[in-house]
Amino acid sequence: GEDVEQSLFLSVREGDSSVINCTYTDSSSTYLYWYKQEPGAGLQLLTYIFSNMDMKQDQRLTVLLNKKDKHLSLRIADTQTGDSAIYFCAESMPGSSNTGKLIFGQGTTLQVKP
Amino acid sequence: KAGVTQTPRYLIKTRGQQVTLSCSPISGHRSVSWYQQTPGQGLQFLFEYFSETQRNKGNFPGRFSGRQFSNSRSEMNVSTLELGDSALYLCASSLQGGAGTEAFFGQGTRLTVV
Repeated sequence: GEDVEQSLFLSVREGDSSVINCTYTDSSSTYLYWYKQEPGAGLQLLTYIFSNMDMKQDQRLTVLLNKKDKHLSLRIADTQTGDSAIYFCAESMPGSSNTGKLIFGQGTTLQVKP
Repeated sequence: KAGVTQTPRYLIKTRGQQVTLSCSPISGHRSVSWYQQTPGQGLQFLFEYFSETQRNKGNFPGRFSGRQFSNSRSEMNVSTLELGDSALYLCASSLQGGAGTEAFFGQGTRLTVV
């Protein structure tokens, strides 16, 4: 089946680390993405990971993948007020029936308090 | 390099009318996908076009249609508008559209049906 689940809300203090979690259900080889959406804007691709990887780091962002539990997390180090946004986890699967299609979670609203 | 451009940014239409939205992908990208974003349903895949052909389609009624031109620009059309069609419509462009390719989104077109 196709289902991506995220918690809806996270609040942190500026300077702390944020961890946004996501679970996915598909068991085949898949790519997993993190997008950021600011108010009134489109989606900004932050990073992505293939399901045979455990971790990917890109500056303040760390993606961790637990394949056994089908659990994905995005850690933002030294969170800033400019990181306040909605973060979407998305899955892309191989196969002609999935071409060009991303399956999105509901989005996690990150609130960063000064 | 210019990003993905969607026009118009905002639209207000009356029930029963039809509407056409436009998406210009990043230069060199041949795949364009369309998504509908609503507070209740989140981000849902509409369809994907590659080299002027629809390769994939989501679970939307036939009132939703699209096309792609030889320069990869894409349009989507919604006929006989309903109140429930009010949403943010996002398009994404990528090189090939397959799993693992990076998809870049436009700012979206905000459609309000009254």
